[in-house]
Amino acid sequence: DAGVTQSPTHLIKTRGQQVTLRCSPKSGHDTVSWYQQALGQGPQFIFQYYEEEERQRGNFPDRFSGHQYPNYSSELNVNALLLGDSALYLCASSAGSDTQYFGPGTRLTVL
Amino acid sequence: GENVEQHPSTLSVQEGDSAVIKCTYSDSASNYFPWYKQELGKRPQLIIDIRSNVGEKKDQRIAVTLNKTAKHFSLHITETQPEDSAVYFCAASSPGAGSYQLTFGKGTKLSVIP
Repeated sequence: DAGVTQSPTHLIKTRGQQVTLRCSPKSGHDTVSWYQQALGQGPQFIFQYYEEEERQRGNFPDRFSGHQYPNYSSELNVNALLLGDSALYLCASSAGSDTQYFGPGTRLTVL
Repeated sequence: GENVEQHPSTLSVQEGDSAVIKCTYSDSASNYFPWYKQELGKRPQLIIDIRSNVGEKKDQRIAVTLNKTAKHFSLHITETQPEDSAVYFCAASSPGAGSYQLTFGKGTKLSVIP
């Protein structure tokens, strides 16, 4: 049984570009949450998807958007990249409860 | 919104000693408190969690205690081993709009000295 997977592992972009990150939840999980983890900090909640809808959103600008597909996989899109968007982006999946399991993350570097 | 404070930010202990990490939260509606261990370059891994209807939970060398009145919870690791060295994060979940958003502390870097 595969755990939570994310792609790509690493990504380098330049300011102003757009990026799409992908997440496949653990088998049996229907909820995907996205977090941003800056170096030396705890993860910060971006948003959560359930039944293909954004259920709740943290304090992130509209440049951050997402999608969930019928197979529960999810994407995080970030437009107009800023240097400050450089971080580890983590997705976590859960099965209709608060126990969340994290993927390995995507390391985004914005130059 | 919820705010989670975590202390200390760094902790060094001798192998075999105990380690204690403390967190406080602000939202009295929070009802789920997980702890994650993150090794360098790896994903956060859930090591133990506690819900607000329980005061203490143990799993081998790891225990978590919760004081709802004080809005305070702690992680206790006994008989520490070098492989316990990592960054530990506490988190709190406050149910809102039917979702389970986790708010994390800033982390504690634990070093176990052989």
